[in-house]
Amino acid sequence: GENVEQHPSTLSVQEGDSAVIKCTYSDSASNYFPWYKQELGKRPQLIIDIRSNVGEKKDQRIAVTLNKTAKHFSLHITETQPEDSAVYFCAAKTGANNLFFGTGTRLTVIP
Amino acid sequence: DGGITQSPKYLFRKEGQNVTLSCEQNLNHDAMYWYRQDPGQGLRLIYYSQIVNDFQKGDIAEGYSVSREKKESFPLTVTSAQKNPTAFYLCASSIGRGVNTEAFFGQGTRLTVV
Repeated sequence: GENVEQHPSTLSVQEGDSAVIKCTYSDSASNYFPWYKQELGKRPQLIIDIRSNVGEKKDQRIAVTLNKTAKHFSLHITETQPEDSAVYFCAAKTGANNLFFGTGTRLTVIP
Repeated sequence: DGGITQSPKYLFRKEGQNVTLSCEQNLNHDAMYWYRQDPGQGLRLIYYSQIVNDFQKGDIAEGYSVSREKKESFPLTVTSAQKNPTAFYLCASSIGRGVNTEAFFGQGTRLTVV
């Protein structure tokens, strides 16, 4: 099955700086890559996603890049704010429609 | 109000007992999933179902069982065979095969064995 690796496991940045989280996947048939944000005690919620026919997608301060050849994708958050503090999960969806998650990154934005 | 609902939010179980976690969705989604979340291990897939009356094992299915008798319901039973059941359980649903759209999560059930 698919194996998604995520790094780093924890990340601390100063408010206003950028944060980058990286993921790799193993199944070349994976074609959908969402990113979820989970605040403490709450359910994961989708913040951005990218499909395999697109190399980059941006939504305000959040962007995701995808390199299909290298099988890796990254989340970029610019101008970080304290409310960005949360656990972020990357995921990859295979052709069989299963969604496999990375182990998560705990982002702390220091005011 | 559309969405996916899990109940209960907190559940306590004695060792040796089976317990069933509820998951209901009114989004008309074909696919439903159960994940287990442990600290530092992300979300691990227990079972998934692409269609009514059909389900498949995920990565950590041992000690768990599911049913999918109705499209909107996908209950998870944690059996006494699950050696370490204390965890946070998340149910999710998505439109289904061939459509790359997001999965929506329930609010989770925190199971504690006492």
